[in-house]
Amino acid sequence: VQLVQSGAEVKKPGASVSISCKASGYTFTNYYIHWARQAPGQGLEWMGFINPRGGSPTVAQEFQGRVTMVTDTSTSTVYMNLSSLLSEDTAMYYCARDLVFAGPVIGVVPAGMDVWGQGTTVLVSS
Amino acid sequence: DIVMTQSPLSLAVTPGEPASISCKSGQSLLHRNGQHYLDWYLQKPGQSPQLLIYLGSNRASGVPDRFNGSGSGTDFTLKISRVEAEDVGVYYCMQALQTRFTFGPGTRLDIK
Repeated sequence: VQLVQSGAEVKKPGASVSISCKASGYTFTNYYIHWARQAPGQGLEWMGFINPRGGSPTVAQEFQGRVTMVTDTSTSTVYMNLSSLLSEDTAMYYCARDLVFAGPVIGVVPAGMDVWGQGTTVLVSS
Repeated sequence: DIVMTQSPLSLAVTPGEPASISCKSGQSLLHRNGQHYLDWYLQKPGQSPQLLIYLGSNRASGVPDRFNGSGSGTDFTLKISRVEAEDVGVYYCMQALQTRFTFGPGTRLDIK
């Protein structure tokens, strides 16, 4: 089981960034995918999650309006887009798989993250 | 959002000695299904976080049995029975009761 993220990004303030997270080793549509970030020298901050089977992502309030998440089941990949970048968005971004088997069941409650990607560095600088 | 606090924020432990980290939540993490939605993660230097304990007291796959999670309601504890050099890093608790997860500030563990 593995999540492999796209490479580092350097963006200017006001721009958008898209980070990919490709899953392998398990049935992609059976588990939610979360996103979290970590600013330099800081703690972890949860951003949101998406059910790869479809539906709208659940996004933390502080990111609503700026974060979108989409899935491509043909490539087992989740994309997280963050728009209107600020210097404060400089961070390591992680995707992670939820530990609960969701499968086709509607309304499964997420419970944590058992597999993490390697992280993607995003530097926002003018 | 549920606010999570941890104590201590840092500790240094002699190898072979025990260690304990406390985590408190702003509201009970008991779900109506009887489970406590509290996880523990370890982020080793330069690495991605890894899941240690889920739903309060369940050890994740591959986690050594020297790691134990306990607690209920709003008070939780991670105990390491005998610290080893590889346990160095930052430990985070995280609540998953509310779908908008929140992490504690982290506790840095170093070796004396």
